[in-house]
Amino acid sequence: GESVGLHLPTLSVQEGDNSIINCAYSNSASDYFIWYKQESGKGPQFIIDIRSNMDKRQGQRVTVLLNKTVKHLSLQIAATQPGDSAVYFCAEIGGSNYKLTFGKGTLLTVNP
Amino acid sequence: ETGVTQSPTHLIKTRGQQVTLRCSSQSGHNTVSWYQQALGQGPQFIFQYYREEENGRGNFPPRFSGLQFPNYSSELNVNALELDDSALYLCASSLAGRVTNEKLFFGSGTQLSVL
Repeated sequence: GESVGLHLPTLSVQEGDNSIINCAYSNSASDYFIWYKQESGKGPQFIIDIRSNMDKRQGQRVTVLLNKTVKHLSLQIAATQPGDSAVYFCAEIGGSNYKLTFGKGTLLTVNP
Repeated sequence: ETGVTQSPTHLIKTRGQQVTLRCSSQSGHNTVSWYQQALGQGPQFIFQYYREEENGRGNFPPRFSGLQFPNYSSELNVNALELDDSALYLCASSLAGRVTNEKLFFGSGTQLSVL
């Protein structure tokens, strides 16, 4: 079946460095993608989204890139801070438009 | 804080028992979705309620059922609990039945342990 997956389960970076978290998806009908951040003991928190008619979208310190040719999504975090330490999930919505399909997640650890 | 509240925060049950989890959606939101998140995994969609009716369902057996009330709060009921039901159960609210163009606001979840 269709699924959303991640290339790397863990990522460790130094404070101040840029972080890149990758995600692959297989559903070619997906037209909306979202990155969520989940801290321990909390629910997923919306970070940034992108529609399939876009290649790039920027937010505050975060950028999402979408490559539909290879079905790849990435989240870039600039000047990573200790507060960025969390599990990051990509999620996609396909034709059904009522549910999100989440990937497994990447644990980001920021070292001071 | 998202304004989505869930209760209880933690729960311990034994196999075969029944459980009810509760969710109050963010003010003004009329749609509630429930997700199951096993340890180390991403959330998996259980079902969604819109205007008190089920609006879509994931790959979960009928012993997972739900309700939505006129004030848009919601319950998730699980009968005949199994060990594999141990997970974090997340409730998310949004403004409309369709997720496209909307951002889901998640609660902090109920951690269910089945012994």
